[in-house]
Amino acid sequence: AQKVTQAQTEISVVEKEDVTLDCVYETRDTTYYLFWYKQPPSGELVFLIRRNSFDEQNEISGRYSWNFQKSTSSFNFTITASQVVDSAVYFCALSEARTGANNLFFGTGTRLTVIP
Amino acid sequence: DTGVSQDPRHKITKRGQNVTFRCDPISEHNRLYWYRQTLGQGPEFLTYFQNEAQLEKSRLLSDRFSAERPKGSFSTLEIQRTEQGDSAMYLCASSLDTGTYEQYFGPGTRLTVT
Repeated sequence: AQKVTQAQTEISVVEKEDVTLDCVYETRDTTYYLFWYKQPPSGELVFLIRRNSFDEQNEISGRYSWNFQKSTSSFNFTITASQVVDSAVYFCALSEARTGANNLFFGTGTRLTVIP
Repeated sequence: DTGVSQDPRHKITKRGQNVTFRCDPISEHNRLYWYRQTLGQGPEFLTYFQNEAQLEKSRLLSDRFSAERPKGSFSTLEIQRTEQGDSAMYLCASSLDTGTYEQYFGPGTRLTVT
């Protein structure tokens, strides 16, 4: 069975601090996809990144970076030099190729508050 | 290029009434998904369409729920005989059926059943 765990329910940081959001997943599939979405107070989920299970290269996009480690089944997300606009709920999600990547299994989310 | 749109954004209804929500996906996307999100939780998958065919339904989708995508474009989600437990945000997403499977979400319809 698939499962996504985001153990951090809420995190508060002061502006300009770095912050890492943790994500641990479970799947029996060998081919799967991992995602991060941002849900700002407006409520609309915003796609941030997708990784497939065969690509363990870390990725950096501006202040955002992602660390994918299959050995620990983790896909952590780091925001460098956080800003107030980063305040949101962040969701990690998993989809499995054997089901055609038809649906996303989401974690319960981490609420990030960046204090000015 | 417009994103996914949903209508209405908010719906308040009395228990026992029927409600219908609409989703318009990104125009070139042939996959369309419905999710439900309750307070403090991540979205939960309900159902998805490949063009006009409904190919998968979650166990969460009780008999009171029905979804359609008659021409492979917009979709409707109907809830019959609403219950207070149906109160949630109903999210629609769309994607291509090739490549990266990234799903793009609409703003959601917040349903409150009184």
